[in-house]
Amino acid sequence: QGQLVESGGGVVQPGRSLRLSCAASGFTLSNYAMHWVRKAPGKGLEWVAVLFYDGNDENYADSVKGRFTISRDSSKNTLFLEMNSLKVEDTAVYYCVKERQQWLVVGAFDFWGQGAQVTVSS
Amino acid sequence: DIQMTQSPSSLSASVGDRITITCQASQDITTYLNWYQEKPGKAPKVLIYDASTLETGVPSRFSGSGSGTHFTLTINSLQPDDIATYYCQQYDNLPPTFGQGTKLEI
Repeated sequence: QGQLVESGGGVVQPGRSLRLSCAASGFTLSNYAMHWVRKAPGKGLEWVAVLFYDGNDENYADSVKGRFTISRDSSKNTLFLEMNSLKVEDTAVYYCVKERQQWLVVGAFDFWGQGAQVTVSS
Repeated sequence: DIQMTQSPSSLSASVGDRITITCQASQDITTYLNWYQEKPGKAPKVLIYDASTLETGVPSRFSGSGSGTHFTLTINSLQPDDIATYYCQQYDNLPPTFGQGTKLEI
């Protein structure tokens, strides 16, 4: 089934930037759409962004549009989430999530990374 | 965006009980629905996909049913290990959206 391992989380001040990485193993990242989903303290799960399997299309939640960028390095089988102009309300555990089927982009998730904690605080 | 409404938001049950959690979609999603189990400090784990297909390795006491806008997750013979929060999630349309969760206590 594979594995996803996130890294890059931490504590950052409002307005600053942070980049999350998600290293994939056991499957080829570029054959699948890949997503980021977050869970803020005391709240439910919120989808953040998707990178299409062709690497040419992206889609973002309105809450992060214009501030976050999803990308990948196929040679390293790694997904990224560049987060700029961070806000206190971006504080959450961020999960890297795989689409179940190749060449599909619907959010049919099958497995998740362990998550990376991002805390935005002054 | 498609709204997913779960009920109840919390549930207290006993070992051996049969419990049911419901999820209602704001529009027809056919059977494009996942059910997850989330435990503290762990990533959500898929239990059921396509509304009724059991994920590999998930105990058979978990089952899902429904189509269109109304779905249910049933846990038969509740076990202590089932203490968790359960979520539904639709994937009929982007963006994928989640129910607000059902916290199960035993």
